Amino acid sequence: DAGITQSPRHKVTETGTPVTLRCHQTENHRYMYWYRQDPGHGLRLIHYSYGVKDTDKGEVSDGYSVSRSKTEDFLLTLESATSSQTSVYFCATSTGAVDNSPLHFGNGTRLTVT
Amino acid sequence: QQQVKQSPQSLIVQKGGIPIINCAYENTAFDYFPWYQQFPGKGPALLIAIRPDVSEKKEGRFTISFNKSAKQFSLHIMDSQPGDSATYFCAAGYSALIFGKGTTLSVSS
Repeated sequence: DAGITQSPRHKVTETGTPVTLRCHQTENHRYMYWYRQDPGHGLRLIHYSYGVKDTDKGEVSDGYSVSRSKTEDFLLTLESATSSQTSVYFCATSTGAVDNSPLHFGNGTRLTVT
Repeated sequence: QQQVKQSPQSLIVQKGGIPIINCAYENTAFDYFPWYQQFPGKGPALLIAIRPDVSEKKEGRFTISFNKSAKQFSLHIMDSQPGDSATYFCAAGYSALIFGKGTTLSVSS
C-alpha cells in the first residue's frame, strides 16, 4: 500500500464542526488523491494534488478543502461537516498521472457526522 | 458528468466458475481502463489494466476484454476461488479516473 497512513481511522463528529483528515505517505509519490466511497456510488474523487501546494478539484469537491505543504502529507478538511459527508474516505497516491501509474490506496477513514 | 456504468451490482458463483463483470463508458477520450479489487476494511488495489489499442489482456486468472467500438470492457475471472470474493471496480480516464459503482463478488466453495 505504498506506505500510506490515514488518520484517524474512525471519527464521529457533530454537524457543523470542522474536521481534518490526514494522509501521510512514505514513498515520495508526486500525486495524492482524496476519494470518498459510498454504497451505490463507488469511489468519487474529491480533490487531488500533483505536487506540493498544487491541488485541483475532483467531481465532488463542494464542502471540502485540501492542503499539501509537504510531499508526504495531504490534508482533507470539512469546514462545517454535514450528514451527507458521512462516508469512508480514502487517500491514494501515484508516481505519475493516473493513465500511466497505478493508484495506491490507504485503508480508509470512516467518518460519521451526527 | 462523465460516467462509467458497471454491472452487475452483485454476483454469486461457485468455485471454479467464471464470473464476468461488465463496464461501459461514454467519453471516447478515455485511454486507460483499470480494474481494482477491494477486500473488506481495505483500500482498493490495482488488479489489471488495459489501453484501447489492444482487445484483450491476461494476467494469471484475470482477463480484460475491450471493445472500443462499443465503448465497453469486461473482467473475466477464470477458475474463480473463494479468495476472489471481494468488490471489484472498473475505472476509466486520462487525467483523472472515473470509477464504476462496484460489483460485489461472492465465490462459494
